[in-house]
Amino acid sequence: GENVEQHPSTLSVQEGDSAVIKCTYSDSASNYFPWYKQELGKGPQLIIDIRSNVGEKKDQRIAVTLNKTAKHFSLHITESQPEDWAVYFCAARDNQGGKLIFGQGTELSVKP
Amino acid sequence: DGGITQSPKYLFRKEGQNVTLSCEQNLNHDAMYWYRQDPGQGLRLIYYSQIVNDFQKGDIAEGYSVSREKKESFPLTVTSAQKNPTAFYLCASSSQFPFPVEQFFGPGTRLTVL
Repeated sequence: GENVEQHPSTLSVQEGDSAVIKCTYSDSASNYFPWYKQELGKGPQLIIDIRSNVGEKKDQRIAVTLNKTAKHFSLHITESQPEDWAVYFCAARDNQGGKLIFGQGTELSVKP
Repeated sequence: DGGITQSPKYLFRKEGQNVTLSCEQNLNHDAMYWYRQDPGQGLRLIYYSQIVNDFQKGDIAEGYSVSREKKESFPLTVTSAQKNPTAFYLCASSSQFPFPVEQFFGPGTRLTVL
């Protein structure tokens, strides 16, 4: 089955700087890759996703890139703000049954 | 408002007691999921259901049970057989047909077993 690895586990950036979180997946048949943001004590919220027929997708300050050949995808946050402080999870959809397989999470802190 | 509700937000139980966590959605989604979250371990799938009256085990189903009698409801029972039940439990749902789309999560229930 699918396996997703996420790095780094913690990331600290200065306000206004960029942050990059990377994930790799194992099943080349996976075709959907969402990113979730989880604030303390809350459920994860979908912030952006990408499908396997697209190489890059942007939404304001966040972007996701996908390299199908290398089986990795990344989340890019530009001009980091204090409200970006959260745990971020990547995921890949398992080709059997539509389950999401999640990475271990990255705790992003934004220093003023 | 459309969404997923989980209740209660915090739950305390004595060791050896069964406890049932509620999950309700009014999004008309076919599929529902239960995840367990422990610090530093991400989200682990307990059970999922793609359609009413059917469900499958996830990666860590031992010590848990579920039912799916109604499309909008997917309760999770944490039994006394679960060796380490203290955790944050998340319910999610998604539409499956004509193809799977993004999962939406509820606010979670924090279970503490004393």
